Amino acid sequence: GENVEQHPSTLSVQEGDSAVIKCTYSDSASNYFPWYKQELGKGPQLIIDIRSNVGEKKDQRIAVTLNKTAKHFSLHITETQPEDSAVYFCAASAGSSNTGKLIFGQGTTLQVKP
Amino acid sequence: NAGVTQTPKFQVLKTGQSMTLQCAQDMNHNSMYWYRQDPGMGLRLIYYSASEGTTDKGEVPNGYNVSRLNKREFSLRLESAAPSQTSVYFCATRGTWNQPQHFGDGTRLSIL
Repeated sequence: GENVEQHPSTLSVQEGDSAVIKCTYSDSASNYFPWYKQELGKGPQLIIDIRSNVGEKKDQRIAVTLNKTAKHFSLHITETQPEDSAVYFCAASAGSSNTGKLIFGQGTTLQVKP
Repeated sequence: NAGVTQTPKFQVLKTGQSMTLQCAQDMNHNSMYWYRQDPGMGLRLIYYSASEGTTDKGEVPNGYNVSRLNKREFSLRLESAAPSQTSVYFCATRGTWNQPQHFGDGTRLSIL
């Protein structure tokens, strides 16, 4: 079935360093790839998303890249801050994005040390 | 989370008991979703409702039923709870096809 693999499961960086989280997906029909940040005791919050007609998207310190040929996409956070510490999830649409069904990765716990 | 309200926030059940988890949204969104989140497994889709009056199975529907009561409300029912259903349950909504999903803050359910 459809699958999204996310790595690493945990990531620890020093404040100010960059963090990169990588995901691969199996469904070649997937065309929508959101990233969510989840803080303790809260629901996931969208931080950035990308569609298959775009290779890269940036929003201030956050960027996402997509390689459709290789079926992988990555989240890049630059100049990390302690408040970036959270669990991050990637997701891929199950087939086209029409139904809104998403397949999630397993999550990455990011720790930013002051 | 503004817009998606889940009740209750916490619940403890005994094996075999029934329970309905409630989700209500005031975002006027068409689609609603129920996920479960287990350690190391991300979020898995249980059921979804693409629009009022329709429901469909997701990845892990066994042991659950849903009702799309109206455009605002989407409930998840456990008829006979089992320990394997101990999890955190999230409701999400989506407007049009090009909009992202918005999540509630979850219901933490323990089944003894």
